[in-house]
Amino acid sequence: QLQLQESGPGLVKPSETLSLTCTVSGDSISTNNYFWGWVRQPPGKGLEWIGSADYSGNTWYKPSLKSRVTISVDTSKNQFSLKLSSVTAADTAFYYCARHAISGSHDCWGQGTLVTVSS
Amino acid sequence: QSVLTQPPSVSAAPGQKVTMSCSGSSSNIENNYASWYRQLPGTAPKLLIYENNKRPSGIPDRFSGSKSGTSATLGITGLQTGDEADYYCATWDSSLSAHVFGTGTKVTVL
Repeated sequence: QLQLQESGPGLVKPSETLSLTCTVSGDSISTNNYFWGWVRQPPGKGLEWIGSADYSGNTWYKPSLKSRVTISVDTSKNQFSLKLSSVTAADTAFYYCARHAISGSHDCWGQGTLVTVSS
Repeated sequence: QSVLTQPPSVSAAPGQKVTMSCSGSSSNIENNYASWYRQLPGTAPKLLIYENNKRPSGIPDRFSGSKSGTSATLGITGLQTGDEADYYCATWDSSLSAHVFGTGTKVTVL
């Protein structure tokens, strides 16, 4: 059974870089049929797609975040990661990693992790 | 300010039916697949409907999806107290080159 688990610091200082890792278990990340992405949700607000990558390292990012986001895939560890630079309080959110199909549907999600940006 | 608009809330009594809309445009809903998610309080979203009207394994047929033009609709029949949650639609937006989620609808079971 496919499972995704986020890990990383829960507190990041303003202007620094947020770094999270998603560990995939129960299936290989090296598949042509799926993409690996990140979605965030500020407390009490809606969902926002951040970006996705395939196992070859091709990436797609939300245009308004593109200058600050990097998503990378490590097939040897069956993991993928998110880096978001120059964070501000507006980046405080629950961050979810998820798998999605070519059709766009996100069919498996991690439990989410809260990242707070504060000094 | 999402490009997909959902009603903020819908409600009905147990056993009744609710529907909720997801209004978009030609750059998103009309020409791409819609999916629907349920998010129970304090948990991650869960896929309910994919490719407009298909249910993943394990999702009961009480949940149904449809699409017409620039709008998609989620229906829930036989409403249960456990259905109280936030529901989101989503799709790809070809103009934005981004996945987009709807504004979300809160379902209340009276």
